[in-house]
Amino acid sequence: EDQVTQSPEALRLQEGESSSLNCSYTVSGLRGLFWYRQDPGKGPEFLFTLYSAGEEKEKERLKATLTKKESFLHITAPKPEDSATYLCAGGATNKLIFGTGTLLAVQP
Amino acid sequence: NAGVTQTPKFQVLKTGQSMTLQCAQDMNHNSMYWYRQDPGMGLRLIYYSASEGTTDKGEVPNGYNVSRLNKREFSLRLESAAPSQTSVYFCASSPREGAYQPQHFGDGTRLSIL
Repeated sequence: EDQVTQSPEALRLQEGESSSLNCSYTVSGLRGLFWYRQDPGKGPEFLFTLYSAGEEKEKERLKATLTKKESFLHITAPKPEDSATYLCAGGATNKLIFGTGTLLAVQP
Repeated sequence: NAGVTQTPKFQVLKTGQSMTLQCAQDMNHNSMYWYRQDPGMGLRLIYYSASEGTTDKGEVPNGYNVSRLNKREFSLRLESAAPSQTSVYFCASSPREGAYQPQHFGDGTRLSIL
């Protein structure tokens, strides 16, 4: 069964304290690995797509990487405005399989 | 830049009532999707429409129906609402069908069924 698991469920950081979020997947024939950001009361906002192991993408303080079994979202020197829930999803055939997310809180 | 627009934003229903959730996108996307999001369970696909004129069941279709009205609009109908359908419903769209495509989401409809 296709599955996407995110860890940790919640993470609290001090402003400037870098860390990584993990997304492990067992998705047959993975087509793409997607990262989203979700703010309270809002829909998921697309961040990155990764298509092959070894691929990396960056946007401001965020960098996403992909291996054959997992993806990491690295957050460098986070700011309070980076606080949100981060979702990853694996693309299988014509559907996305979502993880349950990591709730990130960055304290000033 | 509206993107994906969902109406209404909030709704309270009584068990057995019916209602339709509306979704429209202005990005000229071919594919549209309906998800529900429940605490601890992630986003689950209810129905999707790969292109205008086609619809298919997702992971949790029971109790729901959909209509792809035209290329822009995709509606979700609850014929006889049940408390188990209390959830946040998200509509999404993508340029084409397929797991290579990122999906773009609306801000959701928060539905409570008493």
